[in-house]
Amino acid sequence: NAGVTQTPKFQVLKTGQSMTLQCAQDMNHNSMYWYRQDPGMGLRLIYYSASEGTTDKGEVPNGYNVSRLNKREFSLRLESAAPSQTSVYFCASSLRGGIGNQPQHFGDGTRLSIL
Amino acid sequence: QQPVQSPQAVILREGEDAVINCSSSKALYSVHWYRQKHGEAPVFLMILLKGGEQKGHEKISASFNEKKQQSSLYLTASQLSYSGTYFCGTEELRGTDKLIFGTGTRLQVFP
Repeated sequence: NAGVTQTPKFQVLKTGQSMTLQCAQDMNHNSMYWYRQDPGMGLRLIYYSASEGTTDKGEVPNGYNVSRLNKREFSLRLESAAPSQTSVYFCASSLRGGIGNQPQHFGDGTRLSIL
Repeated sequence: QQPVQSPQAVILREGEDAVINCSSSKALYSVHWYRQKHGEAPVFLMILLKGGEQKGHEKISASFNEKKQQSSLYLTASQLSYSGTYFCGTEELRGTDKLIFGTGTRLQVFP
């Protein structure tokens, strides 16, 4: 059981380049999330998707776009990368809806450096 | 607004106890606790819901004071494996599963 899979694990970009971070889960979860983690800042929510076909902004959405391709996949796109977007990016998923709050399951992260 | 965690760091010897606190200025529906080891993904520890319900699967206890919007995580008889950074995540709106995480408490346990 793979859980939440993120690709790539590492990436180096030049300022202005674009790229898409991929996330897929095999737990039949409804909700999916993208976070960034910077030293001393904890986890900050970029975007989330409560169900297939819906997306909402989190705390730090500027400079990012997302696509909930289907129930399994939720991608994060940087259209024009900036050094301030150097971070570790985590994708997470959870089961939600009518049965109480549910834990979030995290992927292993993507370490992104922008030069 | 991020919840505030205290202390920022704790150093313990094996077998000692620790309490980590999480405080929000907003009314909360639930509080989550996660532990992250260096270079790894955060791992779920516990959920505390408004009304007193708790969900968790480790030998860790916690409390949630709904009136004060505060939660505390109690680590008793600490083990080396407890080392890591602990994050609380707060949910303000019921059912969204949208969490705002605190900045973390780093716990180091030494033999």
